[in-house]
Amino acid sequence: AQSVTQPDIHITVSEGASLELRCNYSYGATPYLFWYVQSPGQGLQLLLKYFSGDTLVQGIKGFEAEFKRSQSSFNLRKPSVHWSDAAEYFCAVGSSNTGKLIFGQGTTLQVKP
Amino acid sequence: DTAVSQTPKYLVTQMGNDKSIKCEQNLGHDTMYWYKQDSKKFLKIMFSYNNKELIINETVPNRFSPKSPDKAHLNLHINSLELGDSAVYFCASSPAEKGGTYGYTFGSGTRLTVV
Repeated sequence: AQSVTQPDIHITVSEGASLELRCNYSYGATPYLFWYVQSPGQGLQLLLKYFSGDTLVQGIKGFEAEFKRSQSSFNLRKPSVHWSDAAEYFCAVGSSNTGKLIFGQGTTLQVKP
Repeated sequence: DTAVSQTPKYLVTQMGNDKSIKCEQNLGHDTMYWYKQDSKKFLKIMFSYNNKELIINETVPNRFSPKSPDKAHLNLHINSLELGDSAVYFCASSPAEKGGTYGYTFGSGTRLTVV
């Protein structure tokens, strides 16, 4: 069955530091992978997605993610974090069969001034 | 102009009551979804409709009944509310039935509190 694991429940980084949020997935075929961000009291906003092709994908707000099939990972990165990046981040895998998006449990990002 | 809009944003009600949450999308998408986010922020799909037809019906108590009068609207009616129904309910839409390959556009959520 499909599943997504985000090993880090909570991460704290200093403003201006680099960020990497981890995501591991389980899916039998070529995965459709997504990262979403949820600001407090808000809905989920799509940051980026991977379907095929170049394994390094660029997203909005300066985020990027790298797909590594051998490690079943799709980690999210940002070179320099801003205080406004503090939020909940969700990795998700999409099924081409069922149409469902299966989400990880989320990582809470705190940014220190 | 909000792409996926849900009403109400907040809903506080007593146990045993019946309540509805409404969702509308103006993206021209064919498929709409209801997700439940629990207190630990875990997101779980509940239902999906494609062009007014129910296509995903997860293991949800039958007190929850979705209705889609047209492809732009998906409502969620909950009967006999219980404390455990307290959560944030998100509506989402995608261009086609295989939404898992496109990604979804989410509404801003309805925070339901049952007291």
